[in-house]
Amino acid sequence: EFVLTQSPGTLSLSPGERATLSCRASQSVISNYVAWYQQKAGQAPRLLIYGASSRTTGTPDRFSGSGSGTDFTLTISRLEPEDFAVYYCQKYGRSPYTFGQGTNVEIK
Amino acid sequence: QVRLVQSGSELKKPGASVKVSCKASGYTFNKYAINWVRQAPGQGLEWMGWINTNTGNPGYAQGFTGRFVFSVDTSVSTAYLQINSLKADDSAVYFCAREDLWAGTFDSGQGTLVSVSS
Repeated sequence: EFVLTQSPGTLSLSPGERATLSCRASQSVISNYVAWYQQKAGQAPRLLIYGASSRTTGTPDRFSGSGSGTDFTLTISRLEPEDFAVYYCQKYGRSPYTFGQGTNVEIK
Repeated sequence: QVRLVQSGSELKKPGASVKVSCKASGYTFNKYAINWVRQAPGQGLEWMGWINTNTGNPGYAQGFTGRFVFSVDTSVSTAYLQINSLKADDSAVYFCAREDLWAGTFDSGQGTLVSVSS
């Protein structure tokens, strides 16, 4: 069974600080097919990053993705008030498109 | 613009069935797969599977076989999720999404709350 493990579960930071979110896969992810989503309370998930490091149109450049193989990272260079949310990684390319359990980025 | 509009909240009794609709507009419906994602109260996202809107061929994740049925009606650009023999732990918000992650596309509907209670 393919598992994505995100850490930490909760990240408590202040606006302006740097956020580093980790996503570790139980097996190597083919072609680095990893996506990152942002979800705010009561809203649908929003795709931020695909292919491990490509930003979608409209994703601010303070968001960056990196990694390969089994270890992937989402970095938010300077947190804005609207960035406090839950973030999920997902692997795709071959079914199932498993999600990680999420990292809650909360205001300290 | 691209829109996916889902049907409204449902309250069902255990053992009943529910059918959630997801109407797409603003793009050519059969050019993109539709994914279904479940989110139980206070929990994370769970990928349920997908349907090829061109062929109607579905693919189900483990845990979503048997009682869950994906379908499409291309004549009205609508995808459907039917859940049979509902259980209390099917209570969740269900999202549909237009998906082509290779091209960075994932556009979600607003979600449909399904509540199962006697």
